[in-house]
Amino acid sequence: AQTVTQSQPEMSVQEAETVTLSCTYDTSESNYYLFWYKQPPSRQMILVIRQEAYKQQNATENRFSVNFQKAAKSFSLKISDSQLGDTAMYFCAFMKHVNNAGNMLTFGGGTRLMVKP
Amino acid sequence: DSGVTQTPKHLITATGQRVTLRCSPRSGDLSVYWYQQSLDQGLQFLIHYYNGEERAKGNILERFSAQQFPDLHSELNLSSLELGDSALYFCASSVGRYDTQYFGPGTRLTVL
Repeated sequence: AQTVTQSQPEMSVQEAETVTLSCTYDTSESNYYLFWYKQPPSRQMILVIRQEAYKQQNATENRFSVNFQKAAKSFSLKISDSQLGDTAMYFCAFMKHVNNAGNMLTFGGGTRLMVKP
Repeated sequence: DSGVTQTPKHLITATGQRVTLRCSPRSGDLSVYWYQQSLDQGLQFLIHYYNGEERAKGNILERFSAQQFPDLHSELNLSSLELGDSALYFCASSVGRYDTQYFGPGTRLTVL
């Protein structure tokens, strides 16, 4: 079974600064996908970024980028130029690529990020 | 707005009762997933349907069941409700089985 660990329960950052959220995972699969979702106070789950394990290039979406280290099974999220609207719970998630079976997300416990003005 | 709709938004009921949660996936999405988010268990996968067929079951109790209809909407049925079933229930959808899952706004269930 896969496990996803987020070792930082809470973090804070000043507006306009950069912050990095950590995520490690454990799997014996070689083909899989990794995601970061954010959950603001509205409780909506919003996709931030997706990474395919077979791609060596780190994914980037505007101010959000990842540092994917496959050998170390590490998948950190960097938020640049933090904005007040980035305040949310951030979840790291793993999905394995399995034919003829369900492809569920396995989530970490989350990191609560507070952006301070 | 992800394009995934869930009804109702809130549900308050008593122990022992039965409720049905409804999910409409994004247009064109064939996969529907159900997840439960509770304070003590975090976010947990319940069940996955693909084009009407059950594909995987996670930590879903026997008191819970689901189905996906020909129009691809899905329903999650929770019966003999207990206090511990109080949680936020999310539906997510994706085009296929390896695609990104987009989440609905959730149904908050409170069992009194």
